[in-house]
Amino acid sequence: DSGVTQTPKHLITATGQRVTLRCSPRSGDLSVYWYQQSLDQGLQFLIQYYNGEERAKGNILERFSAQQFPDLHSELNLSSLELGDSALYFCASSVIGGSGGYNEQFFGPGTRLTVL
Amino acid sequence: GDSVTQMEGPVTLSEEAFLTINCTYTATGYPSLFWYVQYPGEGLQLLLKATKADDKGSNKGFEATYRKETTSFHLEKGSVQVSDSAVYFCALSEIAMRFGAGTRLTVKP
Repeated sequence: DSGVTQTPKHLITATGQRVTLRCSPRSGDLSVYWYQQSLDQGLQFLIQYYNGEERAKGNILERFSAQQFPDLHSELNLSSLELGDSALYFCASSVIGGSGGYNEQFFGPGTRLTVL
Repeated sequence: GDSVTQMEGPVTLSEEAFLTINCTYTATGYPSLFWYVQYPGEGLQLLLKATKADDKGSNKGFEATYRKETTSFHLEKGSVQVSDSAVYFCALSEIAMRFGAGTRLTVKP
């Protein structure tokens, strides 16, 4: 158990809908990262928040957004869903937000999103 | 930009066989390097890491050495077990992790 929790575990929805994925980081970790894992794209970094502020953006679509709340949990909002958004979405957390060995990231179990 | 290339799988081995999964990287700086493992139906777990050249990371019988001269971080294990069956990801650390494509390992009894 990494200490990172994600809810829900599974989500099934229809095209055009909007969903919210939730992540609680490990106790003491200030940084939260979101990743998307799909068969064709592999593991891709979406976005990072550090202590409530957006820190870095990766391959995140404009239809997707995220935020980190004062209690440090984070939510990833996916809207106008398409079939191709079906994937496993991981949240990870780390103590700080920089690069290097201090940036060891701990991953949650993921949310499997299926768009029908 | 920085990138990671790892050997394509799948890899199928018999129990107690020697394992090598190749990983090479491209980076402008001096990143830290990681191996993560993903067991079926689970998230990613950190297997080992190395933060500078010539560092050797090790855990659960797995080892990898950070080789700056060959820009490599190959994963090895001397004797694999059925329980090692999983997908292994090589990664380097920028702000976020940049992952290789993953290598699926199946160990047969």
